[in-house]
Amino acid sequence: QVQLQESGPGLVEPSQILSLVCNVAGGSISSGGYNWNWIRQHPGKGLEWIGYIYHSGRTYYNPSLKSRVIMSVDTSKNQFSLKLTSLTAADTAVYYCARSSSTKGMDVWGQGTPVTVS
Amino acid sequence: DIQMTQSPSILSASVGDRITITCRASHTVSSWLAWYQQKPGKAPKLLIYRASSFESGVPSRFSGNGSGTEFTLTISSLQPDDFATYYCQQYKSWTFGQGTKVEIK
Repeated sequence: QVQLQESGPGLVEPSQILSLVCNVAGGSISSGGYNWNWIRQHPGKGLEWIGYIYHSGRTYYNPSLKSRVIMSVDTSKNQFSLKLTSLTAADTAVYYCARSSSTKGMDVWGQGTPVTVS
Repeated sequence: DIQMTQSPSILSASVGDRITITCRASHTVSSWLAWYQQKPGKAPKLLIYRASSFESGVPSRFSGNGSGTEFTLTISSLQPDDFATYYCQQYKSWTFGQGTKVEIK
């Protein structure tokens, strides 16, 4: 059974770059058929999709965040990453990674990692 | 951008009630619509995909319906474990609704 686990700094300073990693266990990113997503949730608010990356490296970002987002995948480590630049307090949120397919939506989620920009 | 609008934002109900949450899309998403349940401090959990297909392990009291721009999630008999926030998501371009909190009346 595939499991996802986010890791990264809990606290980042404004204007800096947030770097998060999602480790995939129990399945291979390279097997194909899935997109690997980042989603965030501001405190007390709803879910915001940030974007996804395919194992080939193809990416698709939320247009509202596209200018500040960089995603990458490392198939040798079975993990994928998010970089978010030019941070402000508005980027304070819980960040989730999730697996999705074009037919099923997001069926596997990480537990989430809280990030504070201050 | 496809905007997703859920109603109501908050739904007060009792154990045993039948409840329905509505999700409307600003443009057609065909049947590319999923429903998630989220409890405080936890990641969302997929309940329904392709508008009406059950994710494995989801109780049969949950059902999804709709296509195009209007969708519903129904819980036929609300159980204590069902008090949570529910989100719809279209996966043509991956936007979420704003959520519906189901609370105890």
